[in-house]
Amino acid sequence: DVKVTQSSRYLVKRTGEKVFLECVQDMDHENMFWYRQDPGLGLRLIYFSYDVKMKEKGDIPEGYSVSREKKERFSLILESASTNQTSMYLCASSLGTGPYEQYFGPGTRLTVT
Amino acid sequence: QQQVKQSPQSLIVQKGGISIINCAYENTAFDYFPWYQQFPGKGPALLIAIRPDVSEKKEGRFTISFNKSAKQFSLHIMDSQPGDSATYFCAASISVGFQKLVFGTGTRLLVSP
Repeated sequence: DVKVTQSSRYLVKRTGEKVFLECVQDMDHENMFWYRQDPGLGLRLIYFSYDVKMKEKGDIPEGYSVSREKKERFSLILESASTNQTSMYLCASSLGTGPYEQYFGPGTRLTVT
Repeated sequence: QQQVKQSPQSLIVQKGGISIINCAYENTAFDYFPWYQQFPGKGPALLIAIRPDVSEKKEGRFTISFNKSAKQFSLHIMDSQPGDSATYFCAASISVGFQKLVFGTGTRLLVSP
């Protein structure tokens, strides 16, 4: 069974703090993704990575950065958290290029006050 | 052109009834259409997927119907059960090269006992 784990289920941070969200997958997947999920907006892609140290912007990258130093780990960084970044953050991984299933972690609900 | 429009936003169906969720897309290059199911507190998980070379795909009580000319596809859940209560997301992507999924906005399904 593929397992995608996220470091925290709930996180509360203050405006202006630097925030790190960690994601680890255990199936040697090439691709990893960060999404945010908001009611009525579905899942929106923030960043993705198709290889170690490689990253590409998704649809809403502003205010975020990512890091992938090891194949199994993909981190999302909020450089200076703002209240409009309060959301559910989902990490996913997939085997490689092509129509492979994306496996999602349970999500991190981030609240920025 | 990258959007996938999903309706309805929410749906209440009686146990044993048929649940129908519809999606429409604009980008004719899309050729992979998965549906993801998300239970509360969990990440989305792949439910069923279809390619446009077939008009229908069935897995158990779940069926995807695909209309290429109308650029629409739908999920039908036959004999809906309370355990089917979840949020459903349609998605679309281009299967060649890097698979970047475009998700619909989600449908919250409640199956009443």
